[in-house]
Amino acid sequence: GAGVSQTPSNKVTEKGKYVELRCDPISGHTALYWYRQSLGQGPEFLIYFQGTGAADDSGLPNDRFFAVRPEGSVSTLKIQRTERGDSAVYLCASSLTRLAGGLEGSTDTQYFGPGTRLTVL
Amino acid sequence: AQSVAQPEDQVNVAEGNPLTVKCTYSVSGNPYLFWYVQYPNRGLQFLLKYITGDNLVKGSYGFEAEFNKSQTSFHLKKPSALVSDSALYFCAVRANTGTASKLTFGTGTRLQVTL
Repeated sequence: GAGVSQTPSNKVTEKGKYVELRCDPISGHTALYWYRQSLGQGPEFLIYFQGTGAADDSGLPNDRFFAVRPEGSVSTLKIQRTERGDSAVYLCASSLTRLAGGLEGSTDTQYFGPGTRLTVL
Repeated sequence: AQSVAQPEDQVNVAEGNPLTVKCTYSVSGNPYLFWYVQYPNRGLQFLLKYITGDNLVKGSYGFEAEFNKSQTSFHLKKPSALVSDSALYFCAVRANTGTASKLTFGTGTRLQVTL
C-alpha cells in the first residue's frame, strides 16, 4: 500500500516568509508525528497528533511553528517569519496506535515519509 | 528525559564480514527500542524493534539487534555485510508509557561496506 507522502519535496524560501509543509499519512493511521532533521543530526521531535488533537507539542521550538490536522488525516506544518536556522529536512511519520494485549503503551512502529527539504535564504 | 548515544560516527567493514553498530540508551521505565536506516535523499526506513520478550530481535535485510538491559544497549548486528548495506543508521528509544509517544534518536552512524 501507499506509504507516508510529503509535499513539496523541496522548498526554497526567503527569510521572513511563511511556508506550509504537508503530510499525508498511511491510510487508517491514527497517530501522526513531525520531526526535524538538521544536517549531520538525528531527527528531533516537534509535535504529534492523536486523531485531530495535538497530544504532545513540546518539541516545537517557538511560536512561529504551528501544525494542524483538522480531519484526523492530512497534517500541515506551518512556519511563520522563517529564519535561516529553520533550514532542515522536515520528516513526517505515522503509526497505527493501539494497545498490545496486556501491555502498556502502543507498540506500533512509526513509518516515515521522504521528507521536505526546507532552505531559507 | 530519554536519550540515545551512538558512539561511532562511522563504521567501516569489508563485505562478507560481520558488522556491529553500537547504541546505548537512557529512558524512564522499560524501553521500546528501534533501528532505522536512511539512504541518501531518502526518509527513514524501519529495520527492527524491541518491545518485550526475546532479547535478540530479527529484522529486515538480515539485520538483528540484541537488547541488553543491564548495559542499556541495543547494538545492531549482521553476520555478513553487503556493499548495499552502506547507509546511515539511527537508533531510537521511546518510553513505554501512554498510547503513543515521540521517538528520541541518536546522531546516527554511517556504515561503509567495501569490497
